[in-house]
Amino acid sequence: DAKTTQPTSMDCAEGRAANLPCNHSTISGNEYVYWYRQIHSQGPQYIIHGLKNNETNEMASLIITEDRKSSTLILPHATLRDTAVYYCIVRVLGGGSNYKLTFGKGTLLTVNP
Amino acid sequence: EAQVTQNPRYLITVTGKKLTVTCSQNMNHEYMSWYRQDPGLGLRQIYYSMNVEVTDKGDVPEGYKVSRKEKRNFPLILESPSPNQTSLYFCASSFRGLEPNEQYFGPGTRLTVT
Repeated sequence: DAKTTQPTSMDCAEGRAANLPCNHSTISGNEYVYWYRQIHSQGPQYIIHGLKNNETNEMASLIITEDRKSSTLILPHATLRDTAVYYCIVRVLGGGSNYKLTFGKGTLLTVNP
Repeated sequence: EAQVTQNPRYLITVTGKKLTVTCSQNMNHEYMSWYRQDPGLGLRQIYYSMNVEVTDKGDVPEGYKVSRKEKRNFPLILESPSPNQTSLYFCASSFRGLEPNEQYFGPGTRLTVT
């Protein structure tokens, strides 16, 4: 699976959009970008995934650059409950023979009142 | 409600005393997995199971056993726990196939081995 690079930490004001970047310059053509988050010591939570088109669901939007070497997770109106570590994971859809998620260090997003 | 449950949530035990951490999911998922999370090391996979009676090692299987006799349950067994197995443990599950395979994680079990 391709490696990802994320900033260690970011701050965001409550009610504003949070834009979390991720670099995945070695991504392969059949690898998807997944985002998970982990609120302090809770189990990780799936947010969204995409291949090359922009995606949106009830939680967030995912913008993937045309060359697919980077992406941005957007939380449109961040709340205090969005304070968490956000993980960008690149993986083949379906995971092959093991659906293991390789978690890096992620980005600690702190939403401030 | 779709969920993954783990028990116990917290456990303090002594070296060498066998223990089992249970994991159960109610979503009819084929795939289940165990991770441990340690400061500075992130989440690492211990074991996984693609279906009933099918299990395989992850990245850090030493000192652990698993079984998958039923689809919904995937217990993690520590036959002789040691202090280096003090960690936060998560169970996860998902469907197989080419769908998003979003994985659902349990709430975690914090284990301390003294």
